[in-house]
Amino acid sequence: QLQLQESGPGLVKSSETLSLTCTVSGGSISSSSYYWGWIRQPPGKGLEWIGSMHYGGSTYYNPSLKSRVTISVDTSKNQFSLKLSSVTAADTAVYYCARHQSIAARPPYLGEFDPWGQGTLVTVSS
Amino acid sequence: QSVLTQPPSASGTPGQRVTISCSGSSSNIGSNYVYWYQQLPGTAPKLLIYKNNQRPSGVPDRFSGSKAGTSASLAISGLRSEDEADYYCAAWDDSLSGHVVFGGGTKVTVL
Repeated sequence: QLQLQESGPGLVKSSETLSLTCTVSGGSISSSSYYWGWIRQPPGKGLEWIGSMHYGGSTYYNPSLKSRVTISVDTSKNQFSLKLSSVTAADTAVYYCARHQSIAARPPYLGEFDPWGQGTLVTVSS
Repeated sequence: QSVLTQPPSASGTPGQRVTISCSGSSSNIGSNYVYWYQQLPGTAPKLLIYKNNQRPSGVPDRFSGSKAGTSASLAISGLRSEDEADYYCAAWDDSLSGHVVFGGGTKVTVL
């Protein structure tokens, strides 16, 4: 059974870079059928997709966050990571990692997130 | 403001049928599959419906999804107290080189 677990600092200072890692267990991150994604949820608000990456290097980002986001994959550790730069209080949220189904490559078409990690709260302080 | 539009709330009594709508556009729902996620209080979202109307293993058949044009719906029949949760629709959007869009979520309350 595939499981994902987020890890990283729970508190980040404003203007600095938020860094999180998702460890995948029970399956390989090096699967051609899947991307690996990040989704966040500000307290009391809805879900926002951040971006998704394939182990082969293909990446898709939320256009509104693209300039600040980097997602990378480490196949040797079966992990993928998120970096979000120049954070502000608006980036305070629970951050989830999830497996993201690939439906087609050209044109790009991604599907469902399943399964999800339990989520980790990151608070941006001034 | 979410790209996909959902009502903020819906409610019903046990045993009733509740329907949640999700409205989008030609670049997302109109041309791609719709997904639904259930988020129970204090937990991570869980996939409820994929590819418009498919249920993952373990999801009760009380949950059903449908799509018509640029809108989609999630129906919960035989409403139960454990269905009280937030429900989100999502879809791939072909614009801007492709990205995922979510609805704002609908809180379902069992009266």
